[in-house]
Amino acid sequence: QSALTQPASVSGSPGQSITISCTGTSSDVGAYDYVSWYQHHPGKAPKLIIYGVYNRPSGVSNRFSGSKSGNTASLTISGLLAEDEADYYCSSYTGSSPYVVFGGGTTLTVL
Amino acid sequence: QVQLQESGPGLVKPSQTLSLTCNVSGGSINSGAYYWSWIRQYPGKGLEWIGYIYYSGSTYYKPSLESRVSMSVDTSRNHFSLSLSSVTAADTAVYYCARDKGGTGSLDYWGQGTLVTVSS
Repeated sequence: QSALTQPASVSGSPGQSITISCTGTSSDVGAYDYVSWYQHHPGKAPKLIIYGVYNRPSGVSNRFSGSKSGNTASLTISGLLAEDEADYYCSSYTGSSPYVVFGGGTTLTVL
Repeated sequence: QVQLQESGPGLVKPSQTLSLTCNVSGGSINSGAYYWSWIRQYPGKGLEWIGYIYYSGSTYYKPSLESRVSMSVDTSRNHFSLSLSSVTAADTAVYYCARDKGGTGSLDYWGQGTLVTVSS
């Protein structure tokens, strides 16, 4: 059982927007602004797409955005493209051991 | 451009010790801004944080693995290592090394991952 809860799957059509939630507790997501999101295409290394709740690393499309409310963080992908089809994982800092926890992952299908 | 590359045996027998090394290029492991992490992904899905090590040698492990895991860093060779003892089939996974910005779980560079199978 993962420490953070994500929906197993989401889907959307090209051009649409989708949102993936990541629910933790007041000890992790709710306590720190250190939520990250990763895009993972099978067989490749995961790619950091959001850090610090809403910051995008250089080179990441502005179609990806992050937010947080209470113990739940969210990743929104706007203007869906076929290449966005992948697994998405959230993570959070916890401040104590274990210092980093992951969500169970969400498979995005672009219809 | 920072690059990380895992190396080590792809097959380990039950009860033995899994040993992996992560070579870091394009950046110094001595940077105080980063923690050097190990993460694994079980077949099917699911990322699991194993732990991380600071360049000074300070280590931080997932509690459920703490009795079996050990990490080390070699700043002269710019690499860090993972050892996991008494492995079982449940330890079969793709193992990734990654760089963590400030130890906050922001893993900005990852290795390609290496599949380790535990089987006799």
